[in-house]
Amino acid sequence: DADVTQTPRNRITKTGKRIMLECSQTKGHDRMYWYRQDPGLGLRLIYYSFDVKDINKGEISDGYSVSRQAQAKFSLSLESAIPNQTALYFCATSDLQTSVNNEQFFGPGTRLTVL
Amino acid sequence: QKEVEQNSGPLSVPEGAIASLNCTYSDRVSQSFFWYRQYSGKSPELIMSIYSNGDKEDGRFTAQLNKASQYVSLLIRDSQPSDSATYLCAVNPDSGYALNFGKGTSLLVTP
Repeated sequence: DADVTQTPRNRITKTGKRIMLECSQTKGHDRMYWYRQDPGLGLRLIYYSFDVKDINKGEISDGYSVSRQAQAKFSLSLESAIPNQTALYFCATSDLQTSVNNEQFFGPGTRLTVL
Repeated sequence: QKEVEQNSGPLSVPEGAIASLNCTYSDRVSQSFFWYRQYSGKSPELIMSIYSNGDKEDGRFTAQLNKASQYVSLLIRDSQPSDSATYLCAVNPDSGYALNFGKGTSLLVTP
């Protein structure tokens, strides 16, 4: 089984709808991240969490919210989706206990289309 | 803004040649550096990490780091068509923050 899983893998939704993307990991890592990737813009950090009680905004958090329900689960919500949130979304994990260098491991991604 | 710069490419090399991918970064206090490979539509996969000045070799891959010049590179020897992908450079400014990623260099290995 994959260490980092994301659901759904693909989603098409309409403008104004609320949508949640979920990430689960079995790596036992304490840190989790959400990125979006757009052609020509690279990976951009949306939110990150260093433990269950710690949530931090990344460079593009507007229009998004997150929830760290447990060490293994980190969800990303779009409260009212808009077309420019169409992108590939990745969850990633890292673990300060095993790697002070913050190596990150990525889930398979969710392709989101907002019509 | 902490910058990580890469040429977007595409970099085209013939099969069997050495591919050289370069990355510069702006934050002088950066401590660790990573190379990820990403196939189209797939997630980034960590292939190399380097923390000290000099070279680090792993199979056909060699990462090179020069902190004084704020430069990190990835060499791929005996390039194969399966190496065709986008290579992302990532920099960790310190252990208390997330990685900064470059936009990636597209590599095409032609048979």
